[in-house]
Amino acid sequence: AQSVTQLGSHVSVSEGALVLLRCNYSSSVPPYLFWYVQYPNQGLQLLLKYTSAATLVKGINGFEAEFKKSETSFHLTKPSAHMSDAAEYFCAVSDPNNQGGKLIFGQGTELSVKP
Amino acid sequence: DAGVTQSPTHLIKTRGQQVTLRCSPKSGHDTVSWYQQALGQGPQFIFQYYEEEERQRGNFPDRFSGHQFPNYSSELNVNALLLGDSALYLCASSSRQGSTNEKLFFGSGTQLSVL
Repeated sequence: AQSVTQLGSHVSVSEGALVLLRCNYSSSVPPYLFWYVQYPNQGLQLLLKYTSAATLVKGINGFEAEFKKSETSFHLTKPSAHMSDAAEYFCAVSDPNNQGGKLIFGQGTELSVKP
Repeated sequence: DAGVTQSPTHLIKTRGQQVTLRCSPKSGHDTVSWYQQALGQGPQFIFQYYEEEERQRGNFPDRFSGHQFPNYSSELNVNALLLGDSALYLCASSSRQGSTNEKLFFGSGTQLSVL
């Protein structure tokens, strides 16, 4: 079975500060891992994905995440927050052996950016 | 190129009624997945359709059913609506060929309110 835990349902940072959103996963097989962003009244947009290649993954809008197997973590970071980064962020896991299979999402972390 | 389109965007129903939600996948995609996102929660996988058949199913009761048409579009039907069915329903499409969840595209969703 697979699961995702996002630590902190709400994170607030100042504009220009480091963004760190935490995600820990549980999986019986080497997983694929994803970060999605959701703006109000919109669907999910893929930020980045880990699919067993490089452990440091760079995504869109300056975000990156590092897969740490020993810590079962896939935390999302951005060096300098921008006002436009305010949104809901979801970490997700899937089984690579389940072709085109389902994603298991975390509860989400709402990011607020203060001027 | 239109992405994933869902209709309607908003819907209000009363308990016990039935509802049908519609999804047109992104051009070139042949697989459709449906997710339910309750307020303040991450999306939960309902089921996936490929070649007009349900291929995978999440932990949802039989009141939730679906259909995929030859043009790859899909419908989600929910019978005997409960208050707890109020949620944002997201459709996601992908291409089965060489597929993992890397190329999953989400629509903006249908907001269902059950009164």
